[in-house]
Parts: sequence; C-alpha cells; structure tokens
Amino acid sequence: EPEVTQTPSHQVTQMGQEVILRCVPISNHLYFYWYRQILGQKVEFLVSFYNNEISEKSEIFDDQFSVERPDGSNFTLKIRSTKLEDSAMYFCASSGRTGFANSPLHFGNGTRLTVT
Amino acid sequence: GENVEQHPSTLSVQEGDSAVIKCTYSDSASNYFPWYKQELGKGPQLIIDIRSNVGEKKDQRIAVTLNKTAKHFSLHITETQPEDSAVYFCAASIFTNAGKSTFGDGTTLTVKP
Repeated sequence: EPEVTQTPSHQVTQMGQEVILRCVPISNHLYFYWYRQILGQKVEFLVSFYNNEISEKSEIFDDQFSVERPDGSNFTLKIRSTKLEDSAMYFCASSGRTGFANSPLHFGNGTRLTVT
Repeated sequence: GENVEQHPSTLSVQEGDSAVIKCTYSDSASNYFPWYKQELGKGPQLIIDIRSNVGEKKDQRIAVTLNKTAKHFSLHITETQPEDSAVYFCAASIFTNAGKSTFGDGTTLTVKP
C-alpha cells in the first residue's frame, strides 16, 4: 500500500537555526498537510496545502514557518529560526486520491525535532 | 473553534474483553469523525470514520457510534487482542475539509494477555 514517507526520522538542531523537514506524499494525492505533536500531547493541525498554495493554517503556523512543494513529489516544512518550544514530532499527511478533500488522511511516521 | 475532549486517557483491559473510548465535540458544524490508531514510533493511522448522516458504523471488531444531539461519539473494540494496544485518537472536522481535523488528547489502550 502506498505510504507517506518523511525524512529525517530525527533532527536535532540548535535554537535559532533553520530546519527543513521533508515529506513525500502518496503519489496522485492533491492535498497535503503538516501536523505537530508535542510529546504527550494531542496532534495539532498546522497547515494545509493545495494547488501550490496554502489553503488554511492554524495560529501555530506563524511567520517562522513556511511550506513548499519544490517539485512534483516533495513537500517541505521550513522553520526559519527554531525555538525550544518547536521541539515536537512533525507529521506530514496527504489525501485526495480522487481529488476530493474529503478522502481520508494518510500520515507519515513523523520527524522528531529536538531543539537544544 | 472546535474543541474535542476524549476519555479515558488510559484504559487497560484483559484480552477478549471490550474497550470503549468516548469523545465529545463542541462545534455543531462538525460532521466527520475519524478515529486513528497510533503505534509506537509511527504516525496516526485511520481505523474507522463516521459521517454525521449515520448513527453507527461497524468494521469487524471495531464500531463507532455517534450522537449528534449530544455531540458525542464513541469507539468500541470487541474481543480485544494484544495487538490492539496503542494510542487511539478521535478527531472532528467538516467533511469537505477533513484535512483540518481537531484531535482529542488520545487514549492509551493496553490489552493484557
């Protein structure tokens, strides 16, 4: 079964550094998402992306965050100047096998970001 | 915005027993309610979902019930097995925008052999 793949599985960075988290959504999916899960807490929506632009974003997704689909397969999340509170598991997800937003979310296994 | 509350936070059952996890939501506009299973080191995986135009849905040993009036929905797992042990999340969203889901806090289910 097709999977969403994320790299790296674990990223350690120093406060103030930029990080890029990478995702390869399921082929032919049209809707892409980033979610965040701080250790022991709930999964939180960050941003949704469709047709090469952000369709919706949460309050968490401030100016420090950006997303990009640089080519036909990758979907990236960039954090420009990391803060300690950015430490979390970041999940990429995709949906829309048929082009409809209401098809189920498929999540990757996440990237654990540790900011020191 | 939507707020989803989930209970209990931890649940321990004997193999073969049933497990029930309950969630409530606040936004009456929400009409799509997926349930996810998250195993250690992995992302959430959809196990069952329900839309607000039905009250119950079943898939083998798992079922979900929805009470729109009371704004609550529940996950039922029958004949539990050790491999059912995981963290389970409920979520709520609008069906046409299902990618923007509000998650509950999660329930850690342990099935003892």
